[in-house]
Amino acid sequence: KAGVTQTPRYLIKTRGQQVTLSCSPISGHRSVSWYQQTPGQGLQFLFEYFSETQRNKGNFPGRFSGRQFSNSRSEMNVSTLELGDSALYLCASSLTVGEAFFGQGTRLTVV
Amino acid sequence: GENVEQHPSTLSVQEGDSAVIKCTYSDSASNYFPWYKQELGKRPQLIIDIRSNVGEKKDQRIAVTLNKTAKHFSLHITETQPEDSAVYFCAASKKTDSWGKLQFGAGTQVVVTP
Repeated sequence: KAGVTQTPRYLIKTRGQQVTLSCSPISGHRSVSWYQQTPGQGLQFLFEYFSETQRNKGNFPGRFSGRQFSNSRSEMNVSTLELGDSALYLCASSLTVGEAFFGQGTRLTVV
Repeated sequence: GENVEQHPSTLSVQEGDSAVIKCTYSDSASNYFPWYKQELGKRPQLIIDIRSNVGEKKDQRIAVTLNKTAKHFSLHITETQPEDSAVYFCAASKKTDSWGKLQFGAGTQVVVTP
């Protein structure tokens, strides 16, 4: 069974640009969550999508948004990038409550 | 909201010794407590989890204990091996919340020296 797939693996962007990250969940998993991982803040919850609806959102500015498609694939968008947005962005898919399986992540560097 | 504290932040052990990592949570409604292992440059991987209706769970050399009254849970690794070296994260979530919404602790860097 294929795991959670995230693309691209690495990105370098300039301040002020926007970026879109993609996540394909494990087949059959309808829940996709996104996390930001930084050395200083650890793993922080961004938002969760279930059946194309955002079900929960963390404490991040409106520049961070996402969506989910009918095949459960999800995208995350960050607009007007700031240096502080440099991080590893992880998505996780869940079949049931709490059991989240992570993708390899997208390493975003903002210069 | 939920707050999870994890201790220690770093843990050095000799190969063959035991390692214990402790976490406390604040929301008494939390009922699912997973532990993740993250090796350098890799994804967090679920290694063991426990639900609030269980006090202890074991899987080979790892075990997790939960004390609901005190709102703390611990990870125990016995007979540590060099491949156990990694960052370990505890987390908490609740059934009434999103399936994938986990509140993570800050992580524990475990170093196992041969």
